Amino acid sequence: DTAVSQTPKYLVTQMGNDKSIKCEQNLGHDTMYWYKQDSKKFLKIMFSYNNKELIINETVPNRFSPKSPDKAHLNLHINSLELGDSAVYFCASSQVGRNQPQHFGDGTRLSIL
Amino acid sequence: AQTVTQSQPEMSVQEAETVTLSCTYDTSESDYYLFWYKQPPSRQMILVIRQEAYKQQNATENRFSVNFQKAAKSFSLKISDSQLGDAAMYFCAYRRGSSNTGKLIFGQGTTLQVKP
Repeated sequence: DTAVSQTPKYLVTQMGNDKSIKCEQNLGHDTMYWYKQDSKKFLKIMFSYNNKELIINETVPNRFSPKSPDKAHLNLHINSLELGDSAVYFCASSQVGRNQPQHFGDGTRLSIL
Repeated sequence: AQTVTQSQPEMSVQEAETVTLSCTYDTSESDYYLFWYKQPPSRQMILVIRQEAYKQQNATENRFSVNFQKAAKSFSLKISDSQLGDAAMYFCAYRRGSSNTGKLIFGQGTTLQVKP
């Protein structure tokens, strides 16, 4: 069984469109994250939710809106897509506590035409 | 703010040989965790090894081991008996120990090539 699953794996769309990426984890973790990996492979945290509550928002544009309907799901909605949004987006989860690693999904490659 | 630096954009190693990937970090915290993640061409992020800052003993996982030098703020990864499947991008990451967010701060990554 996949521990952290993201859909879709690939997303190709035009500038100005709105799109969503879904993430689900079946590990029973209480914290979920979104990371962005840019074209130079640099990974940076975007958001973190703990028990459905937003705890990190790393100066991400308002066009990005995460939504956590429950502990097992953290979706990412992006409005008015721009060329600079092209990247790989990773969802991750962990159980907050000492020495608990994060488990990552396989990533969603978003390409803006 | 904490930072993580990987100064080697690319490294190569002959199959069966040993290679060391470097990582340094900057923090004023005393309680933290360090990780190495592997990202093969398939794009997955796979945890390789982790180290608690309060432990003096270096972590080891089969062919992977770390050299953790807390005073120097250095955390290098040694891969012994390199295999073709080790070819990937390797990321060093830092996490505050006392944080309830658990967010990871990543280095820029090192691409490892394994030559047959």
